[in-house]
Amino acid sequence: GAVVSQHPSRVICKSGTSVKIECRSLDFQATTMFWYRQFPKKSLMLMATSNEGSKATYEQGVEKDKFLINHASLTLSTLTVTSAHPEDSSFYICSAQGAGSYGYTFGSGTRLTVV
Amino acid sequence: TQLLEQSPQFLSIQEGENLTVYCNSSSVFSSLQWYRQEPGEGPVLLVTVVTGGEVKKLKRLTFQFGDARKDSSLHITAAQPGDTGLYLCAGPPGGNTGKLIFGQGTTLQVKP
Repeated sequence: GAVVSQHPSRVICKSGTSVKIECRSLDFQATTMFWYRQFPKKSLMLMATSNEGSKATYEQGVEKDKFLINHASLTLSTLTVTSAHPEDSSFYICSAQGAGSYGYTFGSGTRLTVV
Repeated sequence: TQLLEQSPQFLSIQEGENLTVYCNSSSVFSSLQWYRQEPGEGPVLLVTVVTGGEVKKLKRLTFQFGDARKDSSLHITAAQPGDTGLYLCAGPPGGNTGKLIFGQGTTLQVKP
């Protein structure tokens, strides 16, 4: 089945630094990937749609300059949290839709802690 | 804006009991999906329902899509501690964007 690999699984960084999270589709091509944010015991909130070869589409209220998304190839999308602050601490999850399927495959998530 | 209202948000039951989780919307969805998520992991797809009135079974889990395709339910028979987790319904909002929106989630705890 479709597999999405997300890396790193956990990261701790200092306030003011930037952190990059990678999302790879391992056995299929994903022209579109999605980035979500999840708070403890809460649901997933869609942040942005990552489009291969073009700019990402951000949901209302999501700062595009803080959350930089790059989808440079059909198998890789990256989310960079710039100038991170403690309030950016969260669980970030990516997903991709396999060609011809209704279902979405999710990465295993990245726990970001900003200290 | 299409929303998915999921209930209950928290459920704590004893092993062997039955339970139902509901996912409701005022809008029609072309399909709805149910996911299960464990702490520190991404959601895992359980089922996709597409046709109004459709019923799908996955061992002790029964999923139903409402006739009008505005609601769905997940019923678990004889719950086991291994069923503990966060259950999420999700569906594509209007338009062919490929996006998914999620319900608030139901945290299920099954006690031995």
